[in-house]
Amino acid sequence: ETGVTQTPRHLVMGMTNKKSLKCEQHLGHNAMYWYKQSAKKPLELMFVYNFKEQTENNSVPSRFSPECPNSSHLFLHLHTLQPEDSALYLCASSQDRQRLNTEAFFGQGTRLTVV
Amino acid sequence: LAKTTQPISMDSYEGQEVNITCSHNNIATNDYITWYQQFPSQGPRFIIQGYKTKVTNEVASLFIPADRKSSTLSLPRVSLSDTAVYYCLVGPGYSGAGSYQLTFGKGTKLSVIP
Repeated sequence: ETGVTQTPRHLVMGMTNKKSLKCEQHLGHNAMYWYKQSAKKPLELMFVYNFKEQTENNSVPSRFSPECPNSSHLFLHLHTLQPEDSALYLCASSQDRQRLNTEAFFGQGTRLTVV
Repeated sequence: LAKTTQPISMDSYEGQEVNITCSHNNIATNDYITWYQQFPSQGPRFIIQGYKTKVTNEVASLFIPADRKSSTLSLPRVSLSDTAVYYCLVGPGYSGAGSYQLTFGKGTKLSVIP
């Protein structure tokens, strides 16, 4: 248990569906991150939020839409996904995004399958 | 942002000490070195962090030579449960606004053999 909780753990969705992934942390952290990990590929940083403001968007397609309503919650809204979007989606948090010398805590991830 | 290079994979027998070296030739003065461990279908987990010389905790040791252009993660007496991917990250202790990303490379896949 890392203190970062992701729901759901598994999700199967059709290409025309709309779904949302949720991430929650009560560690008092100010930075939250979404990562994508496809099979046999490195972790890809998707979005970064610092103090509820989006600070990074690494050329992620618009069918992925993040939302950070407060510093404890982070959502990833999904719509009209493609089968190649099937992957493990990981959420992480850290004290703030500007310092490496603070530990980042990861959730268990959501295993997404697009059919 | 300092680029890191580490072996793609390593094999080790149970009970042996494993050393994984990471090269970071263009490390900056205010950069720290951090190692994470990732088991299949789980998020990475922080193992250890250092700036220079040697750091030891209950899980591992981190050796950093004086020039800081490389670092070595040492896992004592590995067991089957240490089979995982190990990532080396290098980044600033404080970067100011907007420049640092928590970015992972391909890591080193360690396989522990019975």
